[in-house]
Amino acid sequence: AQTVTQSQPEMSVQEAETVTLSCTYDTSESDYYLFWYKQPPSRQMILVIRQEAYKQQNATENRFSVNFQKAAKSFSLKISDSQLGDAAMYFCAYRAADTDKLIFGTGTRLQVFP
Amino acid sequence: NAGVTQTPKFRVLKTGQSMTLLCAQDMNHEYMYWYRQDPGMGLRLIHYSVGEGTTAKGEVPDGYNVSRLKKQNFLLGLESAAPSQTSVYFCASSYFAQPQHFGDGTRLSIL
Repeated sequence: AQTVTQSQPEMSVQEAETVTLSCTYDTSESDYYLFWYKQPPSRQMILVIRQEAYKQQNATENRFSVNFQKAAKSFSLKISDSQLGDAAMYFCAYRAADTDKLIFGTGTRLQVFP
Repeated sequence: NAGVTQTPKFRVLKTGQSMTLLCAQDMNHEYMYWYRQDPGMGLRLIHYSVGEGTTAKGEVPDGYNVSRLKKQNFLLGLESAAPSQTSVYFCASSYFAQPQHFGDGTRLSIL
């Protein structure tokens, strides 16, 4: 069975600094997708970034980028120039290519200090 | 454009009571999902639907039933609520192989 592990329950960063959130996963599939979702206190789940496993190039969305290491089954999220509005729970999620079911990690709570 | 709308946003039930959570989407998505979120855990899939009239079990289906009579609606039912079902419930929808769009969640407390 596929699993997603986020080993950092909480992280903190100073405003304008860079922070990296870790995620590892376990799968025997070769074709899959990985996601990072943000959940602010409002509870809404917001897609931050996605990565297709068949793409070697790391995905980037403005200040958010990933470090995808397929062989190591690692998918970390880097937030550059952190802002107060980045404070939230961040969830890593996995989906095999032949299914539409998401498997979530347990989340990392990110605090941003001024 | 409302996206995914969940009704109600909050509810308190007594053990043994029944209720139905409603999820509505206006994006013409084929796929719809119900998740629960508990402290210290990620979202876990309860049931899902790949189209009108179809439903399937997810990771934690026990104690819940679902129905998808219309493409835009996905209902989650608790026939006899138990304290272990106290949670935040999220609905989501998507096209196949596309990112899921989530509702704002329903906080359900069972006393």
